[in-house]
Amino acid sequence: DTEVTQTPKHLVMGMTNKKSLKCEQHMGHRAMYWYKQKAKKPPELMFVYSYEKLSINESVPSRFSPECPNSSLLNLHLHALQPEDSALYLCASSHGLAGGPDHEQYFGPGTRLTVT
Amino acid sequence: DQQVKQNSPSLSVQEGRISILNCDYTNSMFDYFLWYKKYPAEGPTFLISISSIKDKNEDGRFTVFLNKSAKHLSLHIVPSQPGDSAVYFCAASANSGYALNFGKGTSLLVTP
Repeated sequence: DTEVTQTPKHLVMGMTNKKSLKCEQHMGHRAMYWYKQKAKKPPELMFVYSYEKLSINESVPSRFSPECPNSSLLNLHLHALQPEDSALYLCASSHGLAGGPDHEQYFGPGTRLTVT
Repeated sequence: DQQVKQNSPSLSVQEGRISILNCDYTNSMFDYFLWYKKYPAEGPTFLISISSIKDKNEDGRFTVFLNKSAKHLSLHIVPSQPGDSAVYFCAASANSGYALNFGKGTSLLVTP
């Protein structure tokens, strides 16, 4: 099973709303990632969790708040977003942070977020 | 500064023929390279990878070639099938680290 699942598939929210994106994997991976992808652009790394602890925050605004409740789950809490935050949000996981062979990142299908 | 470049935004190939997708990189510290395939409204799917100690890796219809001196890699798909129509992203990491540097992608269309 190399599946990473994400919910919801689509989300429309206003600038004053609070919402959460969810990601789940059951591959025993200990590294999980949030990426943001705008149209016709490559994915951009936002956050990295390793063993349920935040390892990397790529200078992401505080209106995005990640959470890793356990080794299988990763959430992204959203609050007071701007229209320019509209994008495809991708979750990924890998065995560890080492990279290289056997540490490839597997991506979920993404959540298409629209901020109105 | 884009360290991984895919200079062809799109490519059209006839079914049964070879598809060749190209990727260039600038960072000599990159030592691991991956290709991802992405259908619309889906996340990238890992396809094939190659370590810098190799110059070729093959998996079924997919072969990746690495030319370190030219800082160039290519993905060959033989024979191409209509289901291969997707956007292909080249990615690279340095020092076997987790951080992936993606190219902008090449949209492949395989026509019957």
